[in-house]
Amino acid sequence: SAVISQKPSRDICQRGTSLTIQCQVDSQVTMMFWYRQQPGQSLTLIATANQGSEATYESGFVIDKFPISRPNLTFSTLTVSNMSPEDSSIYLCSGHRGAADTQYFGPGTRLTVL
Amino acid sequence: QKEVEQDPGPLSVPEGAIVSLNCTYSNSAFQYFMWYRQYSRKGPELLMYTYSSGNKEDGRFTAQVDKSSKYISLFIRDSQPSDSATYLCAMSALDGNNRKLIWGLGTSLAVNP
Repeated sequence: SAVISQKPSRDICQRGTSLTIQCQVDSQVTMMFWYRQQPGQSLTLIATANQGSEATYESGFVIDKFPISRPNLTFSTLTVSNMSPEDSSIYLCSGHRGAADTQYFGPGTRLTVL
Repeated sequence: QKEVEQDPGPLSVPEGAIVSLNCTYSNSAFQYFMWYRQYSRKGPELLMYTYSSGNKEDGRFTAQVDKSSKYISLFIRDSQPSDSATYLCAMSALDGNNRKLIWGLGTSLAVNP
């Protein structure tokens, strides 16, 4: 397995501001992902973070709203831009390594937008 | 119809009971089948994964896949209060050049002492 850390663990932000979430993996992973999880809901994939190139976004998510960087194999950031209360959610990063398609998750960032 | 269906529960059982958690799916191209456990205010934790039809056992947990029926199960024997969590099934599929996970809604389980 891989140990994944995220920071901040939680934040309360004002409408219209931006927040950058950091994700660090303890060992090299081939792929990194960013998810959103609304309270009591399952996981929704935001994008696949690609090393050294633009992230691959899922339908309904755009780079202007959720810019993602992955400068190396073990680190990625997700920015939630121009936030509104609808962006209040838990944001999770995950990493994949090995032959199986399993992913290992960080503890999540709990975001509240006022 | 969603690609992966999972009854959200909640499911409440007494300590020591056998728990059965289930997911059905519609996409026969799914390759890996996984179960994750998520405690409140934590990230999902991988419990088990399987590739082929059949059973896979790990301690008190058994994962079962029936590809002909498009049905997977997770059994928990001798359930403990510490098993109280949300259990999510996930399945992998190829999307372009990437493999992605398709998630069930999660089943909330409470094991009562």
